Amino acid sequence: GAVVSQHPSWVICKSGTSVKIECRSLDFQATTMFWYRQFPKQSLMLMATSNEGSKATYEQGVEKDKFLINHASLTLSTLTVTSAHPEDSSFYICSARGTGTSGELFFGEGSRLTVL
Amino acid sequence: GQQVMQIPQYQHVQEGEDFTTYCNSSTTLSNIQWYKQRPGGHPVFLIQLVKSGEVKKQKRLTFQFGEAKKNSSLHITATQTTDVGTYFCAGHANAGKSTFGDGTTLTVKP
Repeated sequence: GAVVSQHPSWVICKSGTSVKIECRSLDFQATTMFWYRQFPKQSLMLMATSNEGSKATYEQGVEKDKFLINHASLTLSTLTVTSAHPEDSSFYICSARGTGTSGELFFGEGSRLTVL
Repeated sequence: GQQVMQIPQYQHVQEGEDFTTYCNSSTTLSNIQWYKQRPGGHPVFLIQLVKSGEVKKQKRLTFQFGEAKKNSSLHITATQTTDVGTYFCAGHANAGKSTFGDGTTLTVKP
């Protein structure tokens, strides 16, 4: 099946710094990728839809300037958490919809961000 | 906006017992997908249901899609310890975006 790779798997940073997370579709082209945030023992909260070559579509309540999304190619989307604060600590996961008829979402391994 | 409610939030069973999780959408869905997330892992696709009243089986797992295409269920027969994890439904109503349920976390006591 299709593979989505996410990097880094975990990152620890100081408050006020910016962190970039990459999401790559390894064996298929993804015109659309999705970014989620997941708190412990909770569901996946969709943050934004990343569209190749255009601006991302953010969900209500998600700060565009805080969570910068860039989808510069058909295989790469990046999420940058700018001026991170401890409350931004979370598990961030990306997904891409496969090209087959099932429409299934393939998820990256997730990135656990800890802001000190 | 679209909401997908999933119950129960947690389910603890003895190995060999059955397990069911239910999803209800506030709007009619074009399809619904089910995912499993193991502890510490990422969600993995299980199945997609598209047709009204559809029933699909995968070994001990049975998936149903309601006649009105607003609810769905996942039933596991004779649970095993390998079934532990959180099961999510994801309802797809609008082009491109899926709404996830809150998930049901299953623990199995050997």
